[in-house]
Amino acid sequence: LAKTTQPISMDSYEGQEVNITCSHNNIATNDYITWYQQFPSQGPRFIIQGYKTKVTNEVASLFIPADRKSSTLSLPRVSLSDTAVYYCLVGGSNTNAGKSTFGDGTTLTVKP
Amino acid sequence: NAGVMQNPRHLVRRRGQEARLRCSPMKGHSHVYWYRQLPEEGLKFMVYLQKENIIDESGMPKERFSAEFPKEGPSILRIQQVVRGDSAAYFCASSPSSATAYEQYFGPGTRLTVT
Repeated sequence: LAKTTQPISMDSYEGQEVNITCSHNNIATNDYITWYQQFPSQGPRFIIQGYKTKVTNEVASLFIPADRKSSTLSLPRVSLSDTAVYYCLVGGSNTNAGKSTFGDGTTLTVKP
Repeated sequence: NAGVMQNPRHLVRRRGQEARLRCSPMKGHSHVYWYRQLPEEGLKFMVYLQKENIIDESGMPKERFSAEFPKEGPSILRIQQVVRGDSAAYFCASSPSSATAYEQYFGPGTRLTVT
C-alpha cells in the first residue's frame, strides 16, 4: 500500500490560507486520497476525499496533480479552532484498512 | 442521525482485570473498525469487522485481545488480563460500505487507564 509522508508540524496565523502537502509516490490506480482532522481527546473527523484534480467542500479543498504522487489540503482563512492534527491516508477501499495506519500526521498550530 | 457511540468514555482497570469497550455504529453502517492511540502518537489500526464476521484483525495483538460485532447489539472490544501498556485511547469508527475508501466516522473514544 502507498506510504504517505507529511510535514510533522506547521504554524500559521489567523486569517491565512494553509496548505498541507502529502507525498504518496507509489499510489495505486484505484487508491483514493482522504484527509482527517483530529482535535485533542477526540476521534478523527473526515474532512475530504478525492481521486484526481480538485475537490472542494465547505471545509477545505483538495488539490491532486495529474501524476497523483502528492496531494495538498488547503484550508482557507484558518482560525484558532483549526489547530489540530491532520492526517493523509491513501487507499483503494476500506478492506485495506488493516495495512495502513494514520501515521503521525501534521500538527497545525494557528496563532492569533 | 446519531453518530458513532462508544461507552464507557473512561474506564479504569487494575492489572489483571478485563476491559470491555462498546461501540454502536452510525445507523445504517454495517462496518466497524477499532483503533488504538497511545499518548502523543497516531492511530494504529486493530481490527475491521462486519456483522458477525472479522474481516481483518492484522493489527490485533495475538493474545488477550478479541473483538466481535454480533448480529444484534454493539461491537465489543475485549481485553483480558490488562497490563499497564494497554492504557490508551481506543477509537471505534464505522462506514456504510467497504467501497468508501477510508471514509470512516469516528466515535469519541474510550480512554482506558490501567493502574
